[in-house]
Amino acid sequence: SYVLTQPPSVSVAPGQTARITCGGNNIGSKNVHWCQQKPGQAPVLVIYYDRDRPSGIPERFSGSNSGNTATLTISRVEAGDEADYFCQVWDSSSDHWVFGGGTKLTVL
Amino acid sequence: EVQLVESGGGLVQPGGSLRLSCAASGFTFNTYAMSWVRQAPGKGLEWVSAISGSGASTYYADSVKGRFTISRDNSKNTLYLQMNSLRAEDTAVYYCAKVDTAMVTFGYFDYWGRGTLVTVSS
Repeated sequence: SYVLTQPPSVSVAPGQTARITCGGNNIGSKNVHWCQQKPGQAPVLVIYYDRDRPSGIPERFSGSNSGNTATLTISRVEAGDEADYFCQVWDSSSDHWVFGGGTKLTVL
Repeated sequence: EVQLVESGGGLVQPGGSLRLSCAASGFTFNTYAMSWVRQAPGKGLEWVSAISGSGASTYYADSVKGRFTISRDNSKNTLYLQMNSLRAEDTAVYYCAKVDTAMVTFGYFDYWGRGTLVTVSS
């Protein structure tokens, strides 16, 4: 089955740029979606189709996807961005949705 | 405003059954696929099952196939998950999520409910 690999944690100072990666075999050929989950809350979509932002998500959130790595980039990080972030793809070979293991973003 | 409200969670013994419901509002329910996703305590998200807008197509994670059944009643704007032969490892918060298309195989989860907790323990 298809596997998505994320770093368990990323730490960044306020105002800096956070990059959260999602690795998978030829993931560049798939559509990658990202959600944010704050403690005790339901997940919220932040990026869809690799790089599109839902309404209400700040422009500071952006995405890219190429080769074997997709990346969620958060510019000018704020304390309120501290959360778990999960990448997600549809694996057509198994007809399964697949989530990455999640990355905890800590704002120092 | 899209709203998804899960219910039906609770404490159940191993081997028991439970049926979860997800009441949807704020969108034309039968034109969108829906999905269930779970999260064990302190763990990440795990996709469980999905169903097309018409209900004709269903998909299951290997970990629940043969034990769980997803269904929907488009006349009641409600999604269901029938869970049988429950195991301790099924303990999790179960979220329902709306897919932005009628087909499961395309699209993304654009809205999520708040979840309902299922605890499998003796």
